[in-house]
Amino acid sequence: DTEVTQTPKHLVMGMTNKKSLKCEQHMGHRAMYWYKQKAKKPPELMFVYSYEKLSINESVPSRFSPECPNSSLLNLHLHALQPEDSALYLCASSQGAAGYGYTFGSGTRLTVV
Amino acid sequence: RKEVEQDPGPFNVPEGATVAFNCTYSNSASQSFFWYRQDCRKEPKLLMSVYSSGNEDGRFTAQLNRASQYISLLIRDSKLSDSATYLCVVNMRGYNQGGKLIFGQGTELSVKP
Repeated sequence: DTEVTQTPKHLVMGMTNKKSLKCEQHMGHRAMYWYKQKAKKPPELMFVYSYEKLSINESVPSRFSPECPNSSLLNLHLHALQPEDSALYLCASSQGAAGYGYTFGSGTRLTVV
Repeated sequence: RKEVEQDPGPFNVPEGATVAFNCTYSNSASQSFFWYRQDCRKEPKLLMSVYSSGNEDGRFTAQLNRASQYISLLIRDSKLSDSATYLCVVNMRGYNQGGKLIFGQGTELSVKP
């Protein structure tokens, strides 16, 4: 299994809603990541988990809350989002720090209304 | 100054043309280097890693000059299927396990018949 699976593929939520994005990998990768990508822009790193511990938070607003329940799963909890948070949210995993073996999921396309 | 800068696009070329993409990065401590390809509304996919000795994969050749902090990608005999956005990516190694990929803004390539 060489895939990173993200659910849901599309999500529309109101500004008062609470929702969660899910990401799963079974490649034995010990680092997992959340990226945000706006249209016509490159992906921007949000969070890095290494060995199930948060190792990088790129000053992301607290309305985004990551969680890593185990080495195969990564969640992103969303609460009180703004319309400008609408974007493609990409999960990725890698074997380690050097960036090799980085695999992206197909993303969740989020629209905040 | 952006951490990773690429040629602005788009590049519009005929089939069979040779296309060159250039990229510079600002952090001399960067650990590893990649070219990714992203098709419209899809996730980024690794095209090739870039090594100091230069490396080739079929029609694709990548070069890295650490002294100049410069990365390049050459596509020979371009195909219609090469049309995509090409992203220069640098790994700013995280302070713990877990790579921190920084993406250039991407260069859109359109190959015409």
